[in-house]
Amino acid sequence: EDQVTQSPEALRLQEGESSSLNCSYTVSGLRGLFWYRQDPGKGPEFLFTLYSAGEEKEKERLKATLTKKESFLHITAPKPEDSATYLCAVQGAGNNRKLIWGLGTSLAVNP
Amino acid sequence: DAGVIQSPRHEVTEMGQEVTLRCKPISGHDYLFWYRQTMMRGLELLIYFNNNVPIDDSGMPEDRFSAKMPNASFSTLKIQPSEPRDSAVYFCASSPPRGRILETQYFGPGTRLLVL
Repeated sequence: EDQVTQSPEALRLQEGESSSLNCSYTVSGLRGLFWYRQDPGKGPEFLFTLYSAGEEKEKERLKATLTKKESFLHITAPKPEDSATYLCAVQGAGNNRKLIWGLGTSLAVNP
Repeated sequence: DAGVIQSPRHEVTEMGQEVTLRCKPISGHDYLFWYRQTMMRGLELLIYFNNNVPIDDSGMPEDRFSAKMPNASFSTLKIQPSEPRDSAVYFCASSPPRGRILETQYFGPGTRLLVL
């Protein structure tokens, strides 16, 4: 069964304290792995798509990496405005557009 | 572009009442998704459409839920009768036609539903 597990469930950092969020997945034929950011009271906002093991993508203080079993979202020198819930989702092989979602990591960055 | 538009943003109703949620996808997108989000279960896909045709409704919880897409710019999700356990945030998302890159889903702001 396709599955996505994110850890930790919650993370509290001091401003400037770098860390990583984990997304472990089990899927039949990975077509892509997505990272989204969700602020309270808003819809998920797209960050990255990763397609194959070894791929990396960056955006400001965020860098996403992908292996055959997991993805990491590295946050370098975070700021309070990086506080949000970060969601990971995978799409498996086939023509199905379904995404399998993790429950997310709630990140709080203290000033 | 205005992005995905959902209405209402908040809905409070009593058990047994009919609830209708509305969505306008991004212009040019031919896929539309309805999700439900709760703390316990996270984001759950309820149903998705391609070119106004339902493709997969396996996530629709029961017969009380129905969804329609009468044209490319409008979709509804209806709950009749509503129950307290339907309380959640309902999101609509859309994605562009199949292309060389994987099609990203873009989400609306959601409808927060409370059934008393």
